[in-house]
Formats: sequence, structure tokens, C-alpha cells
Amino acid sequence: QKEVEQDPGPLSVPEGAIVSLNCTYSNSAFQYFMWYRQYSRKGPELLMYTYSSGNKEDGRFTAQVDKSSKYISLFIRDSQPSDSATYLCAMRKGAQKLVFGQGTRLTINP
Amino acid sequence: DARVTQTPRHKVTEMGQEVTMRCQPILGHNTVFWYRQTMMQGLELLAYFRNRAPLDDSGMPKDRFSAEMPDATLATLKIQPSEPRDSAVYFCASGSLTGAERDQYFGPGTRLLVL
Repeated sequence: QKEVEQDPGPLSVPEGAIVSLNCTYSNSAFQYFMWYRQYSRKGPELLMYTYSSGNKEDGRFTAQVDKSSKYISLFIRDSQPSDSATYLCAMRKGAQKLVFGQGTRLTINP
Repeated sequence: DARVTQTPRHKVTEMGQEVTMRCQPILGHNTVFWYRQTMMQGLELLAYFRNRAPLDDSGMPKDRFSAEMPDATLATLKIQPSEPRDSAVYFCASGSLTGAERDQYFGPGTRLLVL
């Protein structure tokens, strides 16, 4: 079993919909939780960064961490076609290496 | 606008040939990572360096892969001999895992095809 599990999708939703992306993990020592966005033929770029549990909001994006359930989520409100990309969750303990999920391929249809 | 650069961007080679990929990390970043991405396996960490010293290369096939950081501005990943199963996109990322900046900046990747 992988340390971080993420449904690879693909996920296709209409423009304007709320998108929910999720990851589960097995290592309770993880402290830092990230979401990366990767456009086709590009490198991943950091989208959201959260330390420990709780919510973080940035514009249309909200990241949630539930350490008791070992579950993290990324919500995208008012989704746009430009949000079409692969979204990767990643996490680590302290200054250790990041462990990535498989990535979820998301398409927003106009 | 500081960014990680990688060369070459694309490489097509024949099985058995040596492949060298280069990465220039962002100035001031003390940690450099090499990843491989495929459809089947996703993003896999091959090796990483901190302050130019190798910290973890457990994800790398030791018999054919080698990673080095000859100076603070250059990291290399070498495959010798290359095999078709090495075909993938190889990303370099750099970061500074001290202080407030705790994330990795990825380069554009080297797309490798071994025939």
C-alpha cells in the first residue's frame, strides 16, 4: 500500500462547479501538506501549503487537513477552464523528502 | 524571476547509450531533488542533495543511474547504459528547507525517450 493515495481520475466537471480533490495517507508523522498543480508538459507548481490541521483559503482555492482521519482535500470554487490540470497532493515530516500522490487529472468543460 | 532550469528539454536516444541531464537550481537553494514521472508510477523521487551532499538515493537504480552535484549551481543525473524502460520525464526541483520557505520549485523537465 502506498503512503499517499490519490484517485487518478480523470475528473471532468462543467465550468462554475465546485471541485473536490482528496488524498488519504498512512503516516501520522506527516506535518506539512501541499497541493501542486501541473499543466500539460510543464513541471508541478506549488498551489497551496498547510502546516498541521485546519483550513487555508486562497482566492477560489481552499485546502483542508484532517489529521485525525489522515485525509486532506482541495476545493476549487467557481471552477474555470484554466483550472484544467493534474493536481498532486504531497506531504512530509519536518525537513524530510516530499511524498507525492499519484495526481488527479481534472478537466473543466466550458 | 528565479527559476530552475534543465537541459536538454527533450532527448531521444538508443538503448545502451549514455544520457546526461543537467539542472541549475535557484540561487540560494540548498536542496536539490531529482524526480521521474511516468503515467504508470506517477512522480517518483530518485535522489536528493542538501548542501551538495547526497542525502538519499534509495529511489535510484544504482547499477545504471548516478547523480552528482559538482558545485552549487549544477546538478547532474546520468544513465549509463540507458534502457527503454527509462523513458519518462525527469524533473529537477530545488528548495530551501530552512526558515519559512518550505516548498520545492520544479524545473520544466527533460523528456527522455529511449528506443
